[in-house]
Amino acid sequence: GAVVSQHPSWVICKSGTSVKIECRSLDFQATTMFWYRQFPKQSLMLMATSNEGSKATYEQGVEKDKFLINHASLTLSTLTVTSAHPEDSSFYICSARRDSTYEQYFGPGTRLTVT
Amino acid sequence: EDQVTQSPEALRLQEGESSSLNCSYTVSGLRGLFWYRQDPGKGPEFLFTLYSAGKEKEKERLKATLTKKESFLHITAPKPEDSATYLCAVQGASNTGNQFYFGTGTSLTVIP
Repeated sequence: GAVVSQHPSWVICKSGTSVKIECRSLDFQATTMFWYRQFPKQSLMLMATSNEGSKATYEQGVEKDKFLINHASLTLSTLTVTSAHPEDSSFYICSARRDSTYEQYFGPGTRLTVT
Repeated sequence: EDQVTQSPEALRLQEGESSSLNCSYTVSGLRGLFWYRQDPGKGPEFLFTLYSAGKEKEKERLKATLTKKESFLHITAPKPEDSATYLCAVQGASNTGNQFYFGTGTSLTVIP
């Protein structure tokens, strides 16, 4: 149990376009999901907390208009990178929190490359 | 200030050479301490949750222990497939909800 999927696993897009990444909890409900960014050989950097049915909470320095988050159901959160630029190229990872235990289960990540 | 510190940053072991990874933490009202394993290019894989000091969890060659200030991940007779980055995270109590802090990880390499 506690499987989280992410789609796509990798994506290449041109500068100025938008990219949507989906995060799904497959066998449990998650009121809260998280979006992280990870640079090579660095730890996870929390970008935002996504709560079902309400607005996401963004960490300091993360542009909410650039990284749009929608958590429309208890099993799905999406991250849309708008007007992507090469500096947005990174490894994006989502997690879903099991409410009863606070355990976060992570998706496999999405490698975004902006050309 | 709440924080999580992992040591060492990197560890090289011969196959079969047991060792321990450390996670020191400072957090207001610990709700849980979590260990994850991350392989390159993949998301972290959940290993253990420890909720209170004195508790232990085991899984194959791994054992996690917890005190009021730190947690250890003991690796007994490691194999090359145990090579990965091990991440520690803590969940603190906060009225605002999300206080989840990750350490920077320990990169473990097990040499055959």
